[in-house]
Amino acid sequence: LAKTTQPISMDSYEGQEVNITCSHNNIATNDYITWYQQFPSQGPRFIIQGYKTKVTNEVASLFIPADRKSSTLSLPRVSLSDTAVYYCLVGDGGSARQLTFGSGTQLTVLP
Amino acid sequence: EAGVTQFPSHSVIEKGQTVTLRCDPISGHDNLYWYRRVMGKEIKFLLHFVKESKQDESGMPNNRFLAERTGGTYSTLKVQPAELEDSGVYFCASSQDGTGPVSYEQYFGPGTRLTVT
Repeated sequence: LAKTTQPISMDSYEGQEVNITCSHNNIATNDYITWYQQFPSQGPRFIIQGYKTKVTNEVASLFIPADRKSSTLSLPRVSLSDTAVYYCLVGDGGSARQLTFGSGTQLTVLP
Repeated sequence: EAGVTQFPSHSVIEKGQTVTLRCDPISGHDNLYWYRRVMGKEIKFLLHFVKESKQDESGMPNNRFLAERTGGTYSTLKVQPAELEDSGVYFCASSQDGTGPVSYEQYFGPGTRLTVT
């Protein structure tokens, strides 16, 4: 499984757009990129998944450049409730589908 | 629709005792996973069930840990005997069968916080 690198922490203010970038230089051809969000005392929650280019859902957008060696999670107009840890994961779509979590990025949204 | 539930939410036991954690996945989800986060570490995969069968138990730390999934419904994770280093948060997750496009969407429970003293 490809190793991922993302910032340990980020601060933002309410209403701003937040972009969290994840590096995965050794991503393999079959690997997918997935982002999870975790609030204190809760389990991780799936946000978005993509393979290439751009994916958008009601929560976030995921930008993946052509070389796929990095990806950027974009959260539009964050609120205080978006304060959480965000994990970038890379997996190969095998039958196991087990998730490999890194350290994540602690996003703190300030008023 | 009910989410993944775990019981108990918190357990405090003494070293050498036995503890059993329970997970009820979302109804209809064939895949059930156990993960754990020990103090200061990252969330780590323990094992994966497909229905009642163990698909992958490569993450189980040692033979003090025993997981079962009776009838392909709920699952239990027993730690016997518990050691201090077993303290942490144990998460259960479930997902639907992967018959469509590849998906890494798993639904996590709130976790069981295990404290071994």
